[in-house]
Amino acid sequence: DTAVSQTPKYLVTQMGNDKSIKCEQNLGHDTMYWYKQDSKKFLKIMFSYNNKELIINETVPNRFSPKSPDKAHLNLHINSLELGDSAVYFCASSRDRLNYEQYFGPGTRLTVT
Amino acid sequence: AQSVSQHNHHVILSEAASLELGCNYSYGGTVNLFWYVQYPGQHLQLLLKYFSGDPLVKGIKGFEAEFIKSKFSFNLRKPSVQWSDTAEYFCAVNSERPDMRFGAGTRLTVKP
Repeated sequence: DTAVSQTPKYLVTQMGNDKSIKCEQNLGHDTMYWYKQDSKKFLKIMFSYNNKELIINETVPNRFSPKSPDKAHLNLHINSLELGDSAVYFCASSRDRLNYEQYFGPGTRLTVT
Repeated sequence: AQSVSQHNHHVILSEAASLELGCNYSYGGTVNLFWYVQYPGQHLQLLLKYFSGDPLVKGIKGFEAEFIKSKFSFNLRKPSVQWSDTAEYFCAVNSERPDMRFGAGTRLTVKP
């Protein structure tokens, strides 16, 4: 049973397109996160939701919009994709915003051409 | 500014050698400390964590780490590495916010 799953695993698209990445966790956790890992392997938080409420919103372009339909899902929609958006995007979850152990999904490798 | 520093960018060892990867952080107050491992093409997996108590923590696969508060450090150790330990290792910290602040990572290559 996959604890944190993401789809798709790979995504290749052209500049200017709009795409979405989906994340689901079956751990019953309240808090979910999106991280971006760049080509140098550096990981940085983008967003965090707690029970469908946005609690962390780092300095990310407005083209990135997270959506949490319920506490088990946190999707990431990206408008007008740019070359610099190419990266691996990791979803993660934790039991709640006070419990700091996070479980990561397998990642989505986004390539913008 | 709050940050996490990993001193070694790339470490190359032979099998059976001992490993120590450095991690320093610059957070004030109470911190939670983690080491994650990322095998090639895979997601991050938790190796070990420190929340409180005994500053020497043991994790999976024979790894351990020591929290030294006075030095703001949380170094990862393993007495004898294996080829299968080849991976990227990330130190991470969180404090008053739930998100992780990661170090830049250390790539470990173990030669058979």
